[in-house]
Amino acid sequence: GDSVTQMEGPVTLSEEAFLTINCTYTATGYPSLFWYVQYPGEGLQLLLKATKADDKGSNKGFEATYRKETTSFHLEKGSVQVSDSAVYFCALTQGEYGNKLVFGAGTILRVKS
Amino acid sequence: EAQVTQNPRYLITVTGKKLTVTCSQNMNHEYMSWYRQDPGLGLRQIYYSMNVEVTDKGDVPEGYKVSRKEKRNFPLILESPSPNQTSLYFCASSLSATGGPGELFFGEGSRLTVL
Repeated sequence: GDSVTQMEGPVTLSEEAFLTINCTYTATGYPSLFWYVQYPGEGLQLLLKATKADDKGSNKGFEATYRKETTSFHLEKGSVQVSDSAVYFCALTQGEYGNKLVFGAGTILRVKS
Repeated sequence: EAQVTQNPRYLITVTGKKLTVTCSQNMNHEYMSWYRQDPGLGLRQIYYSMNVEVTDKGDVPEGYKVSRKEKRNFPLILESPSPNQTSLYFCASSLSATGGPGELFFGEGSRLTVL
């Protein structure tokens, strides 16, 4: 079945460091890809998405490019802040109507000042 | 304010004591879903609903029931909770059930402990 694999964390960075969180997927068809973020004590919220190959999603300085040839959707940010500390989930759509999301296990990011 | 509201946020209960976690959204969304979050496993879908009176099983439905009598509400029912249902539960909704990959809006979560 469809699945998402994320790099294990936690990832610990100093403020202003470059961030990459790897995400690869296995899917039949052509899913849409998402990054969701979960701040401490809160629900998940959409960070960015890409709906077809070579699309780049971006938001709040984060970027990810839908790479069909490598089945990847890595999350990057050029300069992280302490406020970026959170859990990041990669996800893909599944099902006839594409409304079911299949999530990765999540990657904890800790940014130190 | 557009939101998904879950209650209770925290609950400790004992094995076999029926409980209901309520979920309500005020965005007139068609699609609603329940997920559970467990360490190392990410979020797994329990049940979902494409619209009123239409519900279907997700990946881990065993031990759970749902109903969708009104568009805004989607309660999760644990008829006889067991310790393996100790988890963090999220309700989510999105605008369209059939319009393609819409954004999911999540509630703040309900942490359930079954002793």
